[in-house]
Amino acid sequence: NAGVTQTPKFQVLKTGQSMTLQCAQDMNHNSMYWYRQDPGMGLRLIYYSASEGTTDKGEVPNGYNVSRLNKREFSLRLESAAPSQTSVYFCASSEGSWQSKNIQYFGAGTRLSVL
Amino acid sequence: DAKTTQPPSMDCAEGRAANLPCNHSTISGNEYVYWYRQIHSQGPQYIIHGLKNNETNEMASLIITEDRKSSTLILPHATLRDTAVYYCIVLYNFNKFYFGSGTKLNVKP
Repeated sequence: NAGVTQTPKFQVLKTGQSMTLQCAQDMNHNSMYWYRQDPGMGLRLIYYSASEGTTDKGEVPNGYNVSRLNKREFSLRLESAAPSQTSVYFCASSEGSWQSKNIQYFGAGTRLSVL
Repeated sequence: DAKTTQPPSMDCAEGRAANLPCNHSTISGNEYVYWYRQIHSQGPQYIIHGLKNNETNEMASLIITEDRKSSTLILPHATLRDTAVYYCIVLYNFNKFYFGSGTKLNVKP
């Protein structure tokens, strides 16, 4: 049981390049999330998908787009990368998004550097 | 938005109980308190959550005050492997986590 799998683990981009971070979960969860974590800081929510077919903005959505491809997969796209997007990106999933069922399981993260 | 306040760091001797406090004075009546921890740069790991009553599982205990404005996470017998950043979180807007900066727990031999 792999849980939440993120690819790639590391990536270096030049300013202006685009890329897609992939996330897949095998726990049949309804809800999925993307976070970023800057050095010495807590995680900040970028986008989330409460259920298949829906997405919504989190705390820091600017510069990102997401796609809930199916129930298993939730991708994060940077259309034109900027140095300010250098961060560690975490994907998470949960059974549901309501109060008592929001136990989130996290992937190992993608470490992204934008030069 | 329900936010939380935690001390930036705490020390604990190995084998002793670690008591990590959290203030969430703006919590609403139906908002749960969740605790996660992050070891090194790994993805956060769920520990425990609760609404009103005290909760216990194999990892920890959660004590929530009667007015729900604060809570304490208790690791009964801390080990070196419990050294991590611990986040106290209250869901806001029904389904969004606000992690804050957490408490860095240093467990010392």
